Amino acid sequence: EVQLVESGGGLVQPGRSLKLSCAASGFTFSNYGMAWVRQAPTKGLEWVATISYDGSSTYYRDSVKGRFTISRDNAKSTLYLQMDSLRSEDTATYYCARFSDYFDYWGQGVMVTVSS
Amino acid sequence: DIQMTQSPSFLSASLGNSITITCHASQNIKGWLAWYQQKSGNAPELLIYKASSLQSGVPSRFSGSGSGTDYILTISNLQPEDIATYYCQHYQSFPLTFGSGTKLEIK
Repeated sequence: EVQLVESGGGLVQPGRSLKLSCAASGFTFSNYGMAWVRQAPTKGLEWVATISYDGSSTYYRDSVKGRFTISRDNAKSTLYLQMDSLRSEDTATYYCARFSDYFDYWGQGVMVTVSS
Repeated sequence: DIQMTQSPSFLSASLGNSITITCHASQNIKGWLAWYQQKSGNAPELLIYKASSLQSGVPSRFSGSGSGTDYILTISNLQPEDIATYYCQHYQSFPLTFGSGTKLEIK
């Protein structure tokens, strides 16, 4: 059974940093691209970033380019999202998802609140 | 960037009836479209990919169709467990974008 478990969320002040993790199990992690998708409170879904199966390629939405970094450790079957220079508009539930061009499995999500 | 226009935003229908949700892409996405269901308080789940391919484990009451810029999600024989918000998403190119969602209510 595919499982994706996010951690690392919380309350952070604007301008500060936070790092999310996503522990994967139930599939061969190193064979799949992975992604982060977020959802602001009461809003729709928004793609954030994608990383290729081997970490050699990364893609970001414009609003997070230069502030967020997606990475992975295939030996640990773990996906990461380093979020720097956080803004209030980054407040959202962040979902880790397995990426097969579309998102075929999702984690339960982790809340990130950016507020002073 | 490719914009996805989804309609309607809200839909109310009776049990046993059928409904359709449409998604219009701002350019040809060549069938690279997925549909998701998100129940209240839960993560989204994949229903359909490549416009019409049913994800494993999804009931056959769900179906997708379309090509080019216009796509449809159909739910037949509505059941109480279908109460959810539905999203389309293209994967023709980065950035990936979602439709704004359709909230389905059962009358």
